[in-house]
Amino acid sequence: QVQLQESGPGLVKPSETLSLTCTVSGGSINSYYWTWIRQPPGKGLEWIGYMYYSGSTSYNPSLNSRVTISVDTSMNQFSLKLNSVTAADTAVYYCARVGRKGSRPSNIDFWGQGTQVTVSS
Amino acid sequence: QAVVTQEPSLTVSPGGTVTLTCGSSTGAVTSGQYPYWFQQKPGQAPRTLIYDTSNKHSWTPARFSGSLLGGKAALTLSGAQPEDEAEYYCLLSYSGAWVFGGGTKLTVL
Repeated sequence: QVQLQESGPGLVKPSETLSLTCTVSGGSINSYYWTWIRQPPGKGLEWIGYMYYSGSTSYNPSLNSRVTISVDTSMNQFSLKLNSVTAADTAVYYCARVGRKGSRPSNIDFWGQGTQVTVSS
Repeated sequence: QAVVTQEPSLTVSPGGTVTLTCGSSTGAVTSGQYPYWFQQKPGQAPRTLIYDTSNKHSWTPARFSGSLLGGKAALTLSGAQPEDEAEYYCLLSYSGAWVFGGGTKLTVL
């Protein structure tokens, strides 16, 4: 059974960079897309971006200039960096696996449990 | 950026049938937007129920089905159970960029 686990600081100061890692166990990071999704407190889900294991990416246009997703196949991990954070970036951050159909991502199947990140001084 | 719309809340009686919809500000939802449906219960991570309009996972209860209906993506629950009370989110793809709907709070009462 594939499992995903988010890790990283739970508290980040305004204007700094939020960095999270998602560790994948029970399966290979190869041949899949990997995505980050967040949920501000009491609000809905927001897609941050996804990356194919070999490098192609797609980001939410509203976050595009601040987001970087990367994959480390040797560690079976993928990461999220969001810079210049503000209180509006306070959320539960989820990582998830996405299958591939043809040349596109298809089928979000396994999710991490989520990690709370608070932006505050 | 496109806006994806869902009913804020719906109520269904136990054993009843309800349809949740997912619309797009850009026009009719098509199969080429690969609609997803997710279920989220309080304090839990979302769970994918439906992908690519109507495909189910092994864990998706048979009472849930996905379709396109009247220019929208639709999630139909037939034979609602108390455990189906949850928030439901749809997701649409716009040339590779994903947008979530605001969610529908479904009450089984």
